[in-house]
Amino acid sequence: DGGITQSPKYLFRKEGQNVTLSCEQNLNHDAMYWYRQDPGQGLRLIYYSQIVNDFQKGDIAEGYSVSREKKESFPLTVTSAQKNPTAFYLCATALAGLYGYTFGSGTRLTVV
Amino acid sequence: SQQGEEDPQALSIQEGENATMNCSYKTSINNLQWYRQNSGRGLVHLILIRSNEREKHSGRLRVTLDTSKKSSSLLITASRAADTASYFCAPGLRGGYNKLIFGAGTRLAVHP
Repeated sequence: DGGITQSPKYLFRKEGQNVTLSCEQNLNHDAMYWYRQDPGQGLRLIYYSQIVNDFQKGDIAEGYSVSREKKESFPLTVTSAQKNPTAFYLCATALAGLYGYTFGSGTRLTVV
Repeated sequence: SQQGEEDPQALSIQEGENATMNCSYKTSINNLQWYRQNSGRGLVHLILIRSNEREKHSGRLRVTLDTSKKSSSLLITASRAADTASYFCAPGLRGGYNKLIFGAGTRLAVHP
């Protein structure tokens, strides 16, 4: 089945630790996006990529890093510089043109 | 701002009633998209309406777009308990890859 796989579903991070969230897709979509959602809030764009080996910062990129070495994969690293990382992280993909986004099921990150 | 703003923030209705949610935006758009998010899950694309369209239907969903007022509405007819979710609108600024910005959404509760 085509789709997006985000892993892990739940992730616990200790203070000062870097963690990486995985996003893999087999939809053959060129564009991939990372969003952060806080309780009761909308989605804020962290990073996005429209082509392999290229990505752009979104509105809240500080404390995060990404890579896009393969079309299928767009991992997000939450670094120790991100002071308040507890949130729900969503990955999405899209085709060019008049199509909507396809979202993964999310990773819930908690700082312990 | 590129994001859409949904109104009301919360809506509570009985099964069988219609639910109407509104979206306002500030920029010129190529299209406007509506998404649904069930609690703790990723967003699901519902419908996309192009800037040259005024109304679009999909099953029990009816979307209208008024570009002169920079507003859109989503009507869900004959609501069911399963329609309980948050609904988001997202203006698409162009026909290629869109960088969608999501607002806080409308939280719809449909009571049996």
